[in-house]
Amino acid sequence: NAGVMQNPRHLVRRRGQEARLRCSPMKGHSHVYWYRQLPEEGLKFMVYLQKENIIDESGMPKERFSAEFPKEGPSILRIQQVVRGDSAAYFCASSPPSGRGDTQYFGPGTRLTVL
Amino acid sequence: KQEVTQIPAALSVPEGENLVLNCSFTDSAIYNLQWFRQDPGKGLTSLLLIQSSQREQTSGRLNASLDKSSGRSTLYIAASQPGDSATYLCAVPADSWGKLQFGAGTQVVVTP
Repeated sequence: NAGVMQNPRHLVRRRGQEARLRCSPMKGHSHVYWYRQLPEEGLKFMVYLQKENIIDESGMPKERFSAEFPKEGPSILRIQQVVRGDSAAYFCASSPPSGRGDTQYFGPGTRLTVL
Repeated sequence: KQEVTQIPAALSVPEGENLVLNCSFTDSAIYNLQWFRQDPGKGLTSLLLIQSSQREQTSGRLNASLDKSSGRSTLYIAASQPGDSATYLCAVPADSWGKLQFGAGTQVVVTP
């Protein structure tokens, strides 16, 4: 059973470009969480999705950021018009359908650098 | 609002010593508590998950205890090795949907 997969592992963008980060959860997992780790800061929750639904996006900036988890395919975190402050490591985690009582399994992360 | 604190922020020990890492949380109504390990530039590896009904959980040289009433968990690593050098994070679900609230982590260095 492959773990949580994220790609790309490293992404470099210039200010104003778009960044698309992809996350494939573990097989059988239908819950996906995105977290952000800014340099020298802890991990912060961004958004929680189930298939075709955004359940909680309370940690996501209101502008430029969006997330989706379609019926088929990976979950996507999209950042439009990136700024230098978006440079961070973005992690996704997945868990089985039972949710809060289960271990969250983390992917290796995507390290975004904005020039 | 749940807050999670980890003390100390950094710890350096010689190889062979036991490690004691502390995690405290402000809201004792937690569903579980999870300990992770993060290596530099890498993702998170889940070490142990303790359900709210449990007092401790063990895996190899690792043992985690949970005292909900006092809002504390402790991770013990026996007979530390240089390969144990990493940042250790604890996290609790912040709500019924399971989103995790993380501590800032304890950075551990085990010297040969």
